[in-house]
Amino acid sequence: DTEVTQTPKHLVMGMTNKKSLKCEQHMGHRAMYWYKQKAKKPPELMFVYSYEKLSINESVPSRFSPECPNSSLLNLHLHALQPEDSALYLCASSQQAAGVVEQYFGPGTRLTVT
Amino acid sequence: AQSVTQLGSHVSVSEGALVLLRCNYSSSVPPYLFWYVQYPNQGLQLLLKYTTGATLVKGINGFEAEFKKSETSFHLTKPSAHMSDAAEYFCAAPWGGGNKLTFGTGTQLKVEL
Repeated sequence: DTEVTQTPKHLVMGMTNKKSLKCEQHMGHRAMYWYKQKAKKPPELMFVYSYEKLSINESVPSRFSPECPNSSLLNLHLHALQPEDSALYLCASSQQAAGVVEQYFGPGTRLTVT
Repeated sequence: AQSVTQLGSHVSVSEGALVLLRCNYSSSVPPYLFWYVQYPNQGLQLLLKYTTGATLVKGINGFEAEFKKSETSFHLTKPSAHMSDAAEYFCAAPWGGGNKLTFGTGTQLKVEL
């Protein structure tokens, strides 16, 4: 099973709302990622969790707050977002092993901030 | 500096024609390279990967890519395009150590009747 699942598929939120994106994988991967993708652009890395610990934060604004409750789950908490944060948010996972770096992506959450 | 470069943001081919999507990588890139495909309103799907060994790599959906160190290239090919191949294709490579991937700017493949 090489599936990464994400919920919800679509989300519309106002600038004062608080919402969360969820990601789950059951491949035994120990690295999980959040990416942001704008239309017609490649994904941009936001956060990396390795063994449930935040290992990379690509200078993401604090209105985005990641959380890794366990090795299978990854959340992205959203608060006071701006319209320019509207994008496709992708979750990915990979094995934490030397020489194995391919990442498996979920279908994404399409976020619209109004 | 960009680790991977994709030439041609848009490629259009006829159904049944050869597909060639170009990717060049920096010589500093570790010996791992990937091609991903993204269909409209979906996530990225791994097409194939090169991780040393045989330089001709076969992937899913009839795609293959050849790692050419002398040309620092990893071009994606498919002998006969199908309408269902219409999608965005990204070349990617490890970058900055750890678990980072750097992506090319993407190539939109259009398949015409």
